[in-house]
Amino acid sequence: AQTVTQSQPEMSVQEAETVTLSCTYDTSESDYYLFWYKQPPSRQMILVIRQEAYKQQNATENRFSVNFQKAAKSFSLKISDSQLGDAAMYFCAYRRRQGGSEKLVFGKGTKLTVNP
Amino acid sequence: NAGVMQNPRHLVRRRGQEARLRCSPMKGHSHVYWYRQLPEEGLKFMVYLQKENIIDESGMPKERFSAEFPKEGPSILRIQQVVRGDSAAYFCASSPPLSGYTDTQYFGPGTRLTVL
Repeated sequence: AQTVTQSQPEMSVQEAETVTLSCTYDTSESDYYLFWYKQPPSRQMILVIRQEAYKQQNATENRFSVNFQKAAKSFSLKISDSQLGDAAMYFCAYRRRQGGSEKLVFGKGTKLTVNP
Repeated sequence: NAGVMQNPRHLVRRRGQEARLRCSPMKGHSHVYWYRQLPEEGLKFMVYLQKENIIDESGMPKERFSAEFPKEGPSILRIQQVVRGDSAAYFCASSPPLSGYTDTQYFGPGTRLTVL
């Protein structure tokens, strides 16, 4: 069974600084997707970024980028120029790419605080 | 383009009552997923449905829980004879069919169920 581990229950960053959130996963599959979702106090789940495992290039979305290390099964999220609105729970998630179950497997989350 | 709609946003039930949670997927999406989030936890997969079919219910408790996605109308997650341990946030997500397998899941705002 696939598992996702986020080893940092809480992180904090100063406004305008950079922070990296860690995620590791365990799978025997070779083809899959990885995601980072953001959950602000409103509790809405918002997609931040996604990565296809077959792509070697790391995904980027504006101030958000990932460091995908397939051999190490590591998928960290870097937030540059942190803003107060980035404060939220961040969840790493895994899904196999095709065939079988389409379910997302989530980590337990990292609570990010942004200090002004 | 409206996002995933869930109602009610908050639901209070007494022990032994029934809870019905509704989810309308995004326009053009034919795949629906239900997840449960307990306090201080990540989201846990419950069930994956396509129109009129349950594809994967491996995360559903064996008793009291059922889900459907009829040809017309929203998807329904039904919890019979609720107990206090059912108190949680229930999220629905939807995705489009794409080249024979599904793509990113987009989440609704969730329904927070409180059992008294």
